[in-house]
Amino acid sequence: QKEVEQDPGPLSVPEGAIVSLNCTYSNSAFQYFMWYRQYSRKGPELLMYTYSSGNKEDGRFTAQVDKSSKYISLFIRDSQPSDSATYLCAAMEYGNKLVFGAGTILRVKS
Amino acid sequence: ETGVTQTPRHLVMGMTNKKSLKCEQHLGHNAMYWYKQSAKKPLELMFVYNFKEQTENNSVPSRFSPECPNSSHLFLHLHTLQPEDSALYLCASSQEGKANYGYTFGSGTRLTVV
Repeated sequence: QKEVEQDPGPLSVPEGAIVSLNCTYSNSAFQYFMWYRQYSRKGPELLMYTYSSGNKEDGRFTAQVDKSSKYISLFIRDSQPSDSATYLCAAMEYGNKLVFGAGTILRVKS
Repeated sequence: ETGVTQTPRHLVMGMTNKKSLKCEQHLGHNAMYWYKQSAKKPLELMFVYNFKEQTENNSVPSRFSPECPNSSHLFLHLHTLQPEDSALYLCASSQEGKANYGYTFGSGTRLTVV
């Protein structure tokens, strides 16, 4: 079983839609959870960071972690064509290495 | 220059060639990483360096040889590669003890082995 599972998609939505991206993980020791965004021909860039359970909001983006169900989510409100990218979830224990999901390809159509 | 810089951006090499990938970070971080990214697969961690000492080698074949002369530079030396080694190779850096900063990635080197 992979430590972090993520559906690779692609997920295609119309402009303005609410997007929900999800991951599950198996290691209950994970404490730090991140979402990276990767545009074509670029490296991943850190989009959102969450410590332990709870929600974190930044503009149109909301990251949510539910440690009881080992579920990580990223919501994008009012999605834009510029949001089209691959979104990678990642998790880590303190002092250990980041473990990544496979990434979900998102396409927002205008 | 800021962030993490990788060169070259693209590389095509034959199976008998020897080439090197270069990574440089300008962030003052003390840890550097090599990752392999293949389509529809999670990022594969290859090597980790902390304070220029190798701390992790994830069963990577010996045809990949890393070098870290100082905490700002990282190389990946390649020789006698196989076509299945074709992928995007990403370098990243981080600051140990600053988990909330995550990793900073370069733009990667797109490697094609022919």
